[in-house]
Amino acid sequence: GAGVSQTPSNKVTEKGKYVELRCDPISGHTALYWYRQSLGQGPEFLIYFQGTGAADDSGLPNDRFFAVRPEGSVSTLKIQRTERGDSAVYLCASSLIATGGPGGELFFGEGSRLTVL
Amino acid sequence: GNSVTQMEGPVTLSEEAFLTINCTYTATGYPSLFWYVQYPGEGLQLLLKATKADDKGSNKGFEATYRKETTSFHLEKGSVQVSDSAVYFCALPDRGSTLGRLYFGRGTQLTVWP
Repeated sequence: GAGVSQTPSNKVTEKGKYVELRCDPISGHTALYWYRQSLGQGPEFLIYFQGTGAADDSGLPNDRFFAVRPEGSVSTLKIQRTERGDSAVYLCASSLIATGGPGGELFFGEGSRLTVL
Repeated sequence: GNSVTQMEGPVTLSEEAFLTINCTYTATGYPSLFWYVQYPGEGLQLLLKATKADDKGSNKGFEATYRKETTSFHLEKGSVQVSDSAVYFCALPDRGSTLGRLYFGRGTQLTVWP
């Protein structure tokens, strides 16, 4: 597609449930990033993929969070046993190469808003 | 690690007014600096960047100069338009990381009235 696509755009779930959020990056972009944006805050880094492998997952808050990118394109962020504090907008971004492309630019999707009741 | 401190909003201006959004940074070395913008209903997008000290980034009438003496990267526009209403984020790469791992400020909401 023309841009980074994220689904669902909105997800409401109950505490303790499992959630999957999907990101379809720009075609040909090898680097993919997940960020989390809480209300009134800037985006916070979660994890970075270069190809199929997670090159840096140090931003994941705990072991309930996991992400995969099995074929080096689409990525899924998985959250187990959701808690109310997980409520946020989850942003996905991609870039041509790890350094953010020649312009240092990340291309962001519109985000998936997760609400945990 | 590296970090930025961004002017808190919201900022409300009349059309054609002058805009400044302050951003100061703390960093090891001289990393690239960025301003990203989020228009209503859209994803974050790069507005401008500067890759070294004294560089000036510019786009869509916005400018920001990388000043190492004051560790600042303030965003300015001489005459804002209603269409500039958005949230603006200052950002820089986290220390020791790829450029794609960015540390963002809290964002400044700008509303421009006609």
